[in-house]
Amino acid sequence: DIQMTQSPSTLSASVGDRITITCRASLTVSDWLAWYQQKPGKAPILLLYKASTLQSGVPSRFSGNGSGTEFNLTISSLQPDDFATYYCQQYNSYPRTFGQGTTVEIK
Amino acid sequence: QVQLQESGPGLVKPTQTLSLTCVVSGGTILSSNSYWTWIRQPAGKGLEWIGRITSSGSANYNPSLKSRVSMSVDTSKSQFSLRLSSVTAADTAVYYCARAPRGGNSGVFDFWGQGALVTVSS
Repeated sequence: DIQMTQSPSTLSASVGDRITITCRASLTVSDWLAWYQQKPGKAPILLLYKASTLQSGVPSRFSGNGSGTEFNLTISSLQPDDFATYYCQQYNSYPRTFGQGTTVEIK
Repeated sequence: QVQLQESGPGLVKPTQTLSLTCVVSGGTILSSNSYWTWIRQPAGKGLEWIGRITSSGSANYNPSLKSRVSMSVDTSKSQFSLRLSSVTAADTAVYYCARAPRGGNSGVFDFWGQGALVTVSS
């Protein structure tokens, strides 16, 4: 299985901050990488796929980049609704695997 | 747009079989452009892909669960199902059903159910 490792595990930030979450894969996944946002008690929501393509309806303050084994999710100006847990997920191979999550909390 | 809703017992005894169903609405489960997927999440932990099935019944499972898991589709009821046998406390989790589109991004989960909590306890 491809292991996905996110850093940091927790990130404290303020509204308006620019933040970046990193996701590293144990093997190359090309650009078959997705990002999700999850709030407590809710299902995850797809934010980006193919490393950098924004899902329909997702605000443009979210962006992604990377390929191979290292990827980033950036929120350009953190909004109150963005405090949540973020997961990366590879879909280059089976089984599909997720990172352990990064919780963005209010500083 | 596609909507999914999980249902099933919230409490299962150890060694028994967990069974969940996901009803698909707002689209047809017969759609040839969808994979129907199960994902689980233990409390306070990350997400684990369990497996997927097509409307024709072709399935792929996570090797870590393969010996205990089976999925099926009932197109007449627009639903698909998960069975996980010989459960232990480690199988306690919120179970999500989700849709993945076929094609280049077939591993992306764009529609999710709300989740069903299943607790394994005697």
